[in-house]
Amino acid sequence: DQQVKQNSPSLSVQEGRISILNCDYTNSMFDYFLWYKKYPAEGPTFLISISSIKDKNEDGRFTVFLNKSAKHLSLHIVPSQPGDSAVYFCAASAFNSGNTPLVFGKGTRLSVIA
Amino acid sequence: KAGVTQTPRYLIKTRGQQVTLSCSPISGHRSVSWYQQTPGQGLQFLFEYFSETQRNKGNFPGRFSGRQFSNSRSEMNVSTLELGDSALYLCASSLGLAGHTDTQYFGPGTRLTVL
Repeated sequence: DQQVKQNSPSLSVQEGRISILNCDYTNSMFDYFLWYKKYPAEGPTFLISISSIKDKNEDGRFTVFLNKSAKHLSLHIVPSQPGDSAVYFCAASAFNSGNTPLVFGKGTRLSVIA
Repeated sequence: KAGVTQTPRYLIKTRGQQVTLSCSPISGHRSVSWYQQTPGQGLQFLFEYFSETQRNKGNFPGRFSGRQFSNSRSEMNVSTLELGDSALYLCASSLGLAGHTDTQYFGPGTRLTVL
């Protein structure tokens, strides 16, 4: 049973436009969410996170939105750049429920076309 | 500050063999987590060690085991290898427990191929 779902395996966006990556979760105990970016032949790198007490967190070109009632979060990248082309993983944990590991989605491959 | 290092980077084994992978966390980090990445399944959590104790374990068979040393370095072992064990094995370190909002830093991974 997949608790964190990224239903779009891939996404193509033109340079300068907005990229929107989506993530859905099923476990209502999840209260902390993260996005990681992965380039080929490298490990994932942390991008941005959000706690369930917030509905938005911004860091430069990256914004994460959380809709708890829909159990949905999204990552917005504006403007998209060719260097953003990578696989993006959504992850979640049930921080307030005790020591639980991060649960990752299967990833979305973003291609930013110049 | 040096990042997370994993050795070896690439490994080819045959079915039935066993393998040991090594991970050196960032200096000062006490938590090491292991993940298996396959094209169809994304990143799947294997286990997490903190101060030499296994704190969490994912849904993998007992053929997968690990340990952590007093210097926080960690090893994972897979016995009786199967073709389906072919994957990228990623190690990640963090100051505290990974699920407690501490950012995890990933190594480049070990690509294991089982023939």
